Amino acid sequence: QKEVEQNSGPLSVPEGAIASLNCTYSDRGSQSFFWYRQYSGKSPELIMFIYSNGDKEDGRFTAQLNKASQYVSLLIRDSQPSDSATYLCAVISPGGSYIPTFGRGTSLIVHP
Amino acid sequence: GAVVSQHPSWVICKSGTSVKIECRSLDFQATTMFWYRQFPKQSLMLMATSNEGSKATYEQGVEKDKFLINHASLTLSTLTVTSAHPEDSSFYICSARGGDNSPLHFGNGTRLTVT
Repeated sequence: QKEVEQNSGPLSVPEGAIASLNCTYSDRGSQSFFWYRQYSGKSPELIMFIYSNGDKEDGRFTAQLNKASQYVSLLIRDSQPSDSATYLCAVISPGGSYIPTFGRGTSLIVHP
Repeated sequence: GAVVSQHPSWVICKSGTSVKIECRSLDFQATTMFWYRQFPKQSLMLMATSNEGSKATYEQGVEKDKFLINHASLTLSTLTVTSAHPEDSSFYICSARGGDNSPLHFGNGTRLTVT
């Protein structure tokens, strides 16, 4: 059973702060890692994807991957109230037939 | 960016009728499409995986005769909810990707209400 774990939260941060969201996965052979944002009542939207160890930055978002420790994180700099949403981590591995395994999501609240 | 179009965005139907939901990848060829359902405040639940030209693979507990999936081309997949009942009321979301390790791109979802 491939597992992806996320703290359900809610994670509450003040506007302008850095929000740090974490995700761990069980399958050491995992190859692809994704972060999605889902607003209430809407479908998920892709924010970041990362394949290699290290950091990947896109605007206010940074994805960090550490395969040795089997975790992937998402940093959101200068958090805005509009960032308030549920953030889903997804992992793909050959052992899972390349079917994405999603975490249950972390609820982020950015308060003014 | 990759765009997935899903229609209709909402539908209300009477118990016993069938509803078809379309999912199209507009600017890429989707080798694989996934269908999810999501109840309020719950996680995404994968219903089935479909590859173009092949029969869909359904997750355990999902009735394949009730949820008919057709993936006739690299840009179109359809989900038909047959003989819908109120308990089928949910948010149905399709997603598509171009390769095994590629990101999933989601449609906007279809909110189904069965009366």
